[in-house]
Amino acid sequence: DIQMTQSPSSVSASVGDRVTITCRASQGISSWLAWYQQKPGKAPKLLIYAASSLQSGVPSRFSGSGSGTDFTLTISSLQPEDFATYYCQQANSFPPWTFGQGTKVEIK
Amino acid sequence: QVTLKESGPVLVKPTETLTLTCTVSGFSLSNARMGVSWIRQPPGKALEWLAHIFSNDEKSYSTSLKSRLTISKDTSKSQVVLTMTNMDPVDTATYYCARSLGELGYFDYWGQGTLVTVSS
Repeated sequence: DIQMTQSPSSVSASVGDRVTITCRASQGISSWLAWYQQKPGKAPKLLIYAASSLQSGVPSRFSGSGSGTDFTLTISSLQPEDFATYYCQQANSFPPWTFGQGTKVEIK
Repeated sequence: QVTLKESGPVLVKPTETLTLTCTVSGFSLSNARMGVSWIRQPPGKALEWLAHIFSNDEKSYSTSLKSRLTISKDTSKSQVVLTMTNMDPVDTATYYCARSLGELGYFDYWGQGTLVTVSS
């Protein structure tokens, strides 16, 4: 199985900050990567797929980059509604599709 | 409007079999290139993919849980069913069903989730 490792596990930031989360795959996955946002008590929400494609309706302050084994999710200017936990997920090797352990974005 | 909704027991005993149903609307389970997965999340922990069923009825399972899982669908009822045998307290989690984006392994619509507790 492909292991997905996110860093950091948590980050404290202020409104307006630029936030970057990284995700590393244990083997190459080309651009088969998605990012999800999850708020407490809610289902995950798809933000980015194919490493850099913005899902419909997602604000443009979210962006994704990377290919192979190293990927990045960037929030260009953190908004109050962006405080949440973010997960990466590989969609290259199946089964299984695998998720990272999550990164919690907290208020500084 | 695409929606998915999970239903099933909130409490199961160890060794029992769990049966969860995902009822979908806004799309057909027979649509080409559509699929539905089950994904779970233990309290305070990460997401874990469990099983997937494609529009052509092809199925796939988590390698570690394959022996305990069965996924099926009833297109006429717009339902996808997951059974998990020999439940254990470590299986306590919120169970989600989610639609895959085309044939790709990206999940664009999710149900609200259902918390299943395994306890005697």
